[in-house]
Amino acid sequence: AQSVAQPEDQVNVAEGNPLTVKCTYSVSGNPYLFWYVQYPNRGLQFLLKYITGDNLVKGSYGFEAEFNKSQTSFHLKKPSALVSDSALYFCAVKTGANNLFFGTGTRLTVIP
Amino acid sequence: DVKVTQSSRYLVKRTGEKVFLECVQDMDHENMFWYRQDPGLGLRLIYFSYDVKMKEKGDIPEGYSVSREKKERFSLILESASTNQTSMYLCASSLIEVRGNQPQHFGDGTRLSIL
Repeated sequence: AQSVAQPEDQVNVAEGNPLTVKCTYSVSGNPYLFWYVQYPNRGLQFLLKYITGDNLVKGSYGFEAEFNKSQTSFHLKKPSALVSDSALYFCAVKTGANNLFFGTGTRLTVIP
Repeated sequence: DVKVTQSSRYLVKRTGEKVFLECVQDMDHENMFWYRQDPGLGLRLIYFSYDVKMKEKGDIPEGYSVSREKKERFSLILESASTNQTSMYLCASSLIEVRGNQPQHFGDGTRLSIL
């Protein structure tokens, strides 16, 4: 079965510092991986996806994610964190033809 | 931009009531989904639909049913609400999957409290 794990419930980073939000996956076959962000009292917004090709995927709001097949990881990164990046981040993997399996989420807090 | 609209942001109901949560999308998407979101558990799929009048069970369908009479509308029904169904409910839609790479677009959620 397809699954993802987000090992950190909470990540704190100082404004201007690089940030990383971790995700590992377990799939059979080729992985289709996604990152979503959720701001307070809102639904999830799509950030980026990995389907195939370059291991470094660029997405919205300056975020990028690095796909590492040997480590089965898909970590979300940003070179310089903003206070407005504070939110809940979800990693997800495609399961079946249409569905996504979501991780439990990581709360990112950027400290001014 | 895709817009997914959930009819209520907050809803309070009583145990045993039949509860309807409505979701409408405006982009002619074939797929629609209902999730519930609980702290520490992430999002869990309740039901999804890939066409009008079609539905498939997700991971936690017990106590729920769905209806999709029109392409743009997907309703979640709690047949007899119970306190353990207090949660945030999220609706999503997406285009039909060709290569499995279509992102899902989410509504802002309905926070449902069952008293």
